[in-house]
Amino acid sequence: SAVISQKPSRDICQRGTSLTIQCQVDSQVTMMFWYRQQPGQSLTLIATANQGSEATYESGFVIDKFPISRPNLTFSTLTVSNMSPEDSSIYLCSVEIRGGYSSNEQFFGPGTRLTVL
Amino acid sequence: QQQVKQSPQSLIVQKGGISIINCAYENTAFDYFPWYQQFPGKGPALLIAIRPDVSEKKEGRFTISFNKSAKQFSLHIMDSQPGDSATYFCAASLPSSGYSTLTFGKGTMLLVSP
Repeated sequence: SAVISQKPSRDICQRGTSLTIQCQVDSQVTMMFWYRQQPGQSLTLIATANQGSEATYESGFVIDKFPISRPNLTFSTLTVSNMSPEDSSIYLCSVEIRGGYSSNEQFFGPGTRLTVL
Repeated sequence: QQQVKQSPQSLIVQKGGISIINCAYENTAFDYFPWYQQFPGKGPALLIAIRPDVSEKKEGRFTISFNKSAKQFSLHIMDSQPGDSATYFCAASLPSSGYSTLTFGKGTMLLVSP
């Protein structure tokens, strides 16, 4: 498995501002993922981040709104830009660990709870 | 289009009983089916997972049953305990170019009454 930390754990932001969420993992991983979990809802994949290349965004998510950086094999950031109340969610990063029962086990960080006023 | 359908949405089970959560999928390209457990304020934790080449996997009180022909799989929690009260998500993994992406069900909120 992997130990994943996220900063901040929660934040309250004003409409129109931006927030950058950090994700740190305790081992080198190839793939990192960013998810959104709206209150009481399931997880929706925002994008996949591979070190050294542009993130791959899922349908409905765009780079201008959710820019992602992946500067090395243990760290990634997700920025939520020009926020509106609809962006209030839990944002989760996950990492893919290879070599277990499945070659593609994903482990999640604790999440960042964002409230936009 | 929801690719992984999960039921029930919520479930109440008495302590010591069996909790059963069901999922169904459409895409036969899915190659790995994990279950995640999430407590309030925490990230999802990988609980147990199965590949479609086996029909059952058991880890302690948790068992996955897998029916490839019906494209269904289920989680059974034996001897359910109040500490099992959490939200459970099934997921299905789709291989891509060198990695895999997960599609989640909508979740089941389990309450185990003392």
